[in-house]
Amino acid sequence: NAGVTQTPKFQVLKTGQSMTLQCAQDMNHEYMSWYRQDPGMGLRLIHYSVGAGITDQGEVPNGYNVSRSTTEDFPLRLLSAAPSQTSVYFCASSYGIMDEQYFGPGTRLTVT
Amino acid sequence: GDSVTQMEGPVTLSEEAFLTINCTYTATGYPSLFWYVQYPGEGLQLLLKATKADDKGSNKGFEATYRKETTSFHLEKGSVQVSDSAVYFCALSERDYGQNFVFGPGTRLSVLP
Repeated sequence: NAGVTQTPKFQVLKTGQSMTLQCAQDMNHEYMSWYRQDPGMGLRLIHYSVGAGITDQGEVPNGYNVSRSTTEDFPLRLLSAAPSQTSVYFCASSYGIMDEQYFGPGTRLTVT
Repeated sequence: GDSVTQMEGPVTLSEEAFLTINCTYTATGYPSLFWYVQYPGEGLQLLLKATKADDKGSNKGFEATYRKETTSFHLEKGSVQVSDSAVYFCALSERDYGQNFVFGPGTRLSVLP
């Protein structure tokens, strides 16, 4: 049981490049979410999904896309990277919408 | 909307000192409350939780009691260790909201030997 896995662990992008952050969980959780963590700002919700085929925006969705084609996977796409997207990104999953969330180890992204 | 407020850090304590990290919340309904811990370079891990008023969550010597009358969920530990140095996040979840999980800003704890 690997829990929540994220790849890559580190990534450097140039402004304007696109990329996908991968997230997978093997706990059969319905609820998955993406957060970004910035110094002094805690965690902010980017997008979330309550099940395969269902996604919705969080607090800071601009510049990011998501899709949920399977229960296990929830990739986050950066369409055109900007320096303001330099951050640490965490994926999380939970059994239900009010249950404790399990976090991945994070992806540290730098946009130059 | 819902919100979580935590005491400002950083908090620096000597080993074996008593720890309190204050957390208060604003919610329209009946949320579940959580404390998460983040060790350097890692993701967040659930430390403890409480789902109804007067519930006490506990784990690894840490405790927090769900106080509905004061909308608080303060984290306590009687004797901290150097290994407790981390960032602690208070959070709530509430069923009626789409953005159901709300985190506080985090409190950094440093424990000195």
